[in-house]
Amino acid sequence: SQQGEEDPQALSIQEGENATMNCSYKTSINNLQWYRQNSGRGLVHLILIRSNEREKHSGRLRVTLDTSKKSSSLLITASRAADTASYFCATDLSSGSARQLTFGSGTQLTVLP
Amino acid sequence: DAGITQSPRHKVTETGTPVTLRCHQTENHRYMYWYRQDPGHGLRLIHYSYGVKDTDKGEVSDGYSVSRSKTEDFLLTLESATSSQTSVYFCAISESTGQHYEQYFGPGTRLTVT
Repeated sequence: SQQGEEDPQALSIQEGENATMNCSYKTSINNLQWYRQNSGRGLVHLILIRSNEREKHSGRLRVTLDTSKKSSSLLITASRAADTASYFCATDLSSGSARQLTFGSGTQLTVLP
Repeated sequence: DAGITQSPRHKVTETGTPVTLRCHQTENHRYMYWYRQDPGHGLRLIHYSYGVKDTDKGEVSDGYSVSRSKTEDFLLTLESATSSQTSVYFCAISESTGQHYEQYFGPGTRLTVT
């Protein structure tokens, strides 16, 4: 089963509203990352939060991490139609020279104009 | 797409035929990855490479092999394609320095096995 699971699977909001997506995971992590995928394209890295961080901001993005609950949330404020995409969380379990991410199944966000 | 190209971008092939997908990077990054993306499964790691001739299996490696003879190229081969390997395949790269790293993805290859 997936290490990271996003919730909800799909989210539809009006332009200007905030969008919140959640990610839960099962084991200890080095960091957790969020990626965006526009339809028919590759994934694009949005933000990385380290296991010793609790909150991080980047523009209209706010990510929180609660390692005690093994969960993270991604908040997109003042959403725009261009934010319509799938959003994936990815957990880094790397140790030693191995560098691997485990991706969740994603949240499909639709922002209606 | 961060200096990563994939070829071909689309391919239709018949069951039982061998297929090779190519990933090429211009970033000189040490790590390269092959994922497949299927509805409801997100991205699943097939194989990855941590250097020339250094590769390892991922979560869904059965039926796939890889080779990396040059830093810039990572090849994924389906030895005998099956309909269950119909998917979108993504290549990704990452740097080797620093404790925390992100991955950069190519545009994907849509493979249909009939």
